[in-house]
Amino acid sequence: DAGVIQSPRHEVTEMGQEVTLRCKPISGHDYLFWYRQTMMRGLELLIYFNNNVPIDDSGMPEDRFSAKMPNASFSTLKIQPSEPRDSAVYFCASSKPWTLANTGELFFGEGSRLTVL
Amino acid sequence: AQSVAQPEDQVNVAEGNPLTVKCTYSVSGNPYLFWYVQYPNRGLQFLLKYITGDNLVKGSYGFEAEFNKSQTSFHLKKPSALVSDSALYFCAVRARNAGNMLTFGGGTRLMVKP
Repeated sequence: DAGVIQSPRHEVTEMGQEVTLRCKPISGHDYLFWYRQTMMRGLELLIYFNNNVPIDDSGMPEDRFSAKMPNASFSTLKIQPSEPRDSAVYFCASSKPWTLANTGELFFGEGSRLTVL
Repeated sequence: AQSVAQPEDQVNVAEGNPLTVKCTYSVSGNPYLFWYVQYPNRGLQFLLKYITGDNLVKGSYGFEAEFNKSQTSFHLKKPSALVSDSALYFCAVRARNAGNMLTFGGGTRLMVKP
């Protein structure tokens, strides 16, 4: 199993540019989560999907952020326009549904480190 | 609403000594509790969980955690620390009616010195 795959691993861009982060969840995982990690705010849940449908996007900081999951094997997080305060590590995670046999542990990707100059 | 508190930003321990990383939680009803570890420049990795049953749960790399319902705590422990245990540790809680959504604590950096 390849695990959760994120790209790019590192992105450096200038303020005002569009940024797109990509995630491929583990096959068979119905849940997909986008988190943001910063020194100041720790680990924040931005949005999560169940069966490709956004369930809770209350953590998305503002309208500049959008996320999509067009199919079960791909999701994107887009920032347009980007700002220096968006600099962070963005993690994607996936999990199976919570059942008696499976307690829904999250599997994280390696993260995308975004720097906005 | 569910929440997790990790009161220590950093824990320092000498190699070979026991370690404890503290976690307290707040949730309606009985909780599901988790510990994750993050090594530098890596994603979080699952370490152990408490779902039900024995209050002492054992996980990867010799770690264990004790669920204490009266104190609403789930402290992470290891009898003998290794330098390679140095990492960022996150406690997380899930309420039993919260779907798959975990709430993470702020993280505690563990530094094990030789």
